[in-house]
Amino acid sequence: AQSVSQHNHHVILSEAASLELGCNYSYGGTVNLFWYVQYPGQHLQLLLKYFSGDPLVKGIKGFEAEFIKSKFSFNLRKPSVQWSDTAEYFCAVTIGGFKTIFGAGTRLFVKA
Amino acid sequence: EAGVAQSPRYKIIEKRQSVAFWCNPISGHATLYWYQQILGQGPKLLIQFQNNGVVDDSQLPKDRFSAERLKGVDSTLKIQPAKLEDSAVYLCASSLELSTDTQYFGPGTRLTVL
Repeated sequence: AQSVSQHNHHVILSEAASLELGCNYSYGGTVNLFWYVQYPGQHLQLLLKYFSGDPLVKGIKGFEAEFIKSKFSFNLRKPSVQWSDTAEYFCAVTIGGFKTIFGAGTRLFVKA
Repeated sequence: EAGVAQSPRYKIIEKRQSVAFWCNPISGHATLYWYQQILGQGPKLLIQFQNNGVVDDSQLPKDRFSAERLKGVDSTLKIQPAKLEDSAVYLCASSLELSTDTQYFGPGTRLTVL
């Protein structure tokens, strides 16, 4: 069955530390890839997405993600986190052009 | 631009009761999704509409859950009868076209089944 795995359920970092959140999916066909974020008290919102082309995509607030097809991965990165990045981050994959599968999420806490 | 609206925001019911949730997507968005998010898990797609037709309902427990989007705009998700394990946040999202587009999420309805 298709699935999306996020390796870390909880991450605690100090401000200015670098961030990398892992995401792997299991599906051999064409995919579209997303990272969504949910800040405390807010709705889920799009952080960045990959459809085709350059596998390194840039999103809002200095986030980026790299699609590595051979590894079925789409890891999220940020060189220097801020306290305001405290949130829950969800990786999502659309398969077959229409079905979206979410990972379990990673809760990030950034210490000021 | 108004976002995705959902009501109610919170609902507490006893098991075996019925409950309904309402969603109004962003104007002009053809695709509407209902997700179930159990505490500690990611959103799980229950049903996806394209206009008023169902694209995917493979994970909808059809013996107790139903959903409709009669005029291709707002939608209702119903649970009848509810079980304890239905306690979750029910999220509605919409996108311009198919789910290859960005999905815009509503605030969700937190359901507690006692």
